[in-house]
Amino acid sequence: EVQLVESGGGVVQPGGSLRLSCAASGFRFSNYEMNWVRQTPGKGLEWVSYISSGDNTIYYADSVKGRFTISRDDAQNSLYLQMNSLRADDTAIYYCARERADGEGDYWGQGTRVTVSS
Amino acid sequence: AIWMTQSPSLISASTGDRVTINCRVSQGIAGYLAWYQQKPGKAPELLIYAASTLQSGVPSRFSGSGSGTDFTLTITSLQSADFATYYCQQYYNFPRTFGQGTKVEFK
Repeated sequence: EVQLVESGGGVVQPGGSLRLSCAASGFRFSNYEMNWVRQTPGKGLEWVSYISSGDNTIYYADSVKGRFTISRDDAQNSLYLQMNSLRADDTAIYYCARERADGEGDYWGQGTRVTVSS
Repeated sequence: AIWMTQSPSLISASTGDRVTINCRVSQGIAGYLAWYQQKPGKAPELLIYAASTLQSGVPSRFSGSGSGTDFTLTITSLQSADFATYYCQQYYNFPRTFGQGTKVEFK
């Protein structure tokens, strides 16, 4: 069974940092592209970042570029999101999502909540 | 970035109704479109990919159509489990973008 479990969320002050993790199981993690997607309270979905399998091609949303860093450890079956210089508008539930070869996200974790507040 | 416009934002419907949700895209994306269902407090779940292909395990009352810039999600004979919010997403290029969502509520 495919499972994605996010962790690392919490409450942080503006300007602070957090590192989110996503533990994958039930599939060959190294074969899949992965994404982070966030959802603000009561609002819609916003794609945050992508990392490919193999060559580690990376993309970011403009809203997080220069502040967030996506990475993966295939030996640990884990995906990460290092978030620096956090702002109030980064407050959201952060999901990791597996992406199939054509690009659709077929499995999502249950999310981890990040609150940026003083 | 590619803009996604879903309509309507809210549908009030009853069980057994036919429901149609539209997704208009700001530029052609061929068939690189997915539909997701999200229930309160849960992660989105993939319903349809490649505009019209049903994800494994999804009931056949769900269907998708369209290509290019106009896409539709149809639910024939709405069931109680279908009251949720639905999102379209393009995966033609980066940044991936989502529609703003359509909430299907009980009338």
